[in-house]
Amino acid sequence: LAKTTQPISMDSYEGQEVNITCSHNNIATNDYITWYQQFPSQGPRFIIQGYKTKVTNEVASLFIPADRKSSTLSLPRVSLSDTAVYYCLVGVSGGYQKVTFGTGTKLQVIP
Amino acid sequence: DSGVTQTPKHLITATGQRVTLRCSPRSGDLSVYWYQQSLDQGLQFLIQYYNGEERAKGNILERFSAQQFPDLHSELNLSSLELGDSALYFCASSVETLSNTQYFGPGTRLTVL
Repeated sequence: LAKTTQPISMDSYEGQEVNITCSHNNIATNDYITWYQQFPSQGPRFIIQGYKTKVTNEVASLFIPADRKSSTLSLPRVSLSDTAVYYCLVGVSGGYQKVTFGTGTKLQVIP
Repeated sequence: DSGVTQTPKHLITATGQRVTLRCSPRSGDLSVYWYQQSLDQGLQFLIQYYNGEERAKGNILERFSAQQFPDLHSELNLSSLELGDSALYFCASSVETLSNTQYFGPGTRLTVL
C-alpha cells in the first residue's frame, strides 16, 4: 500500500478556499486516491475519490496530476463546520486490503 | 448515517476484564474492518474480514480477536484489558470493489479503569 504524506495541520479563515496536498510517490497503477473527513469522536466520512485528472462533487474537488504522485483536496469557501481532520488514502480494495490512514491533516477554520 | 451500526456506544470496565464489541455492516457489504483510535491519535487498522474470512491483519494485539458471522455482523473481543486499551473502536464496511471506500460506524468508546 502506497505511503502518503500530508501536512500535520492547516489554518484557514472562513470563506476561503483550502487546498490540502497529499504526496504518494509510490502509487501503483491500480491504486485509487480517497479522502476522508473526521470530526472529533466520530467515524471518518468518505469525501471524494479519484483515479486521475479532476473529480468534483457537492463537497469538494480532487486534483490529480498526470504522474499521480500527489493529489490535492480542494474545499471551496470553508466554514467553521469544516474544522476536522482530513485523511488521504491510496490503495486498492480487492479482498486483501491493509489500510493505513496516517495522521491526517488537522484543518482549523478561523472566524 | 452511514448504515453501519456499532454497539455498545460506551463501555466502561476494569483492567483484566474481557469485552465484546459488535458491528453490523451496511446492507450488501461483505467486508468489515476494525480500527482503534486512541486520544488524539490516528486510526490504527486492526483487522479485516471478508464474507466470514480473515483477509488482512494490522497491529492487532494477541489479546484481541475478531470474527465475522454468517449474517456478516462482526465482533471484536478484547481480553485481559489494560489501561492503554482505552480508545475509540471503529468498525467500517465496504462493498469490496476496486476502490478504497469504507463506511464507518459511530464507534464504541471503551474506558478501562
